[in-house]
Amino acid sequence: AQSVTQLDSQVPVFEEAPVELRCNYSSSVSVYLFWYVQYPNQGLQLLLKYLSGSTLVKGINGFEAEFNKSQTSFHLRKPSVHISDTAEYFCASTNTGTASKLTFGTGTRLQVTL
Amino acid sequence: DVKVTQSSRYLVKRTGEKVFLECVQDMDHENMFWYRQDPGLGLRLIYFSYDVKMKEKGDIPEGYSVSREKKERFSLILESASTNQTSMYLCASSASSGDSYEQYFGPGTRLTVT
Repeated sequence: AQSVTQLDSQVPVFEEAPVELRCNYSSSVSVYLFWYVQYPNQGLQLLLKYLSGSTLVKGINGFEAEFNKSQTSFHLRKPSVHISDTAEYFCASTNTGTASKLTFGTGTRLQVTL
Repeated sequence: DVKVTQSSRYLVKRTGEKVFLECVQDMDHENMFWYRQDPGLGLRLIYFSYDVKMKEKGDIPEGYSVSREKKERFSLILESASTNQTSMYLCASSASSGDSYEQYFGPGTRLTVT
């Protein structure tokens, strides 16, 4: 069975500071990995995804993530955050063999302050 | 642009009532999903459907049923609502072909059962 762990439930950061949101996955088979963002009172929106190829994936709004197979991680990073990045961020995975169903982590609340 | 709509943003029901949550997508997607989102628990899959009249249980199907009579519409039914079903409900859809594997989410329905 798959599982996704987001170790930090909340991450406070000052505006213009860098941030890293951590995600680890466990699976006995190859996986696809995703980061979604949820702004207040909205549904989830895809930030970026790793399917294959380059392990550094760039997404929307200046975010990027690096797939590390040996450490089973897919951490999300942004070099300089903005107030508007305040949101909840979810990491998700799916097996490449049954790519329809996603397994989500418990989410990380990013709080950006001045 | 993919659009997933949910019939209500907010809903208040009484214990024991039958509740219908409706979801419609306009991208001809084969797969549709119902999740519930609770603080600290992330998104948990209730049911999903990969074709009309086809459904599979997710991780927490107890107390719920679903209906998919048309490709674009996926309904979640609470036969007899209970207070522990107070939650945010999110619908999503995805294509079963191609290489995207992205799920597109609706804005969510916040259900309160009193």
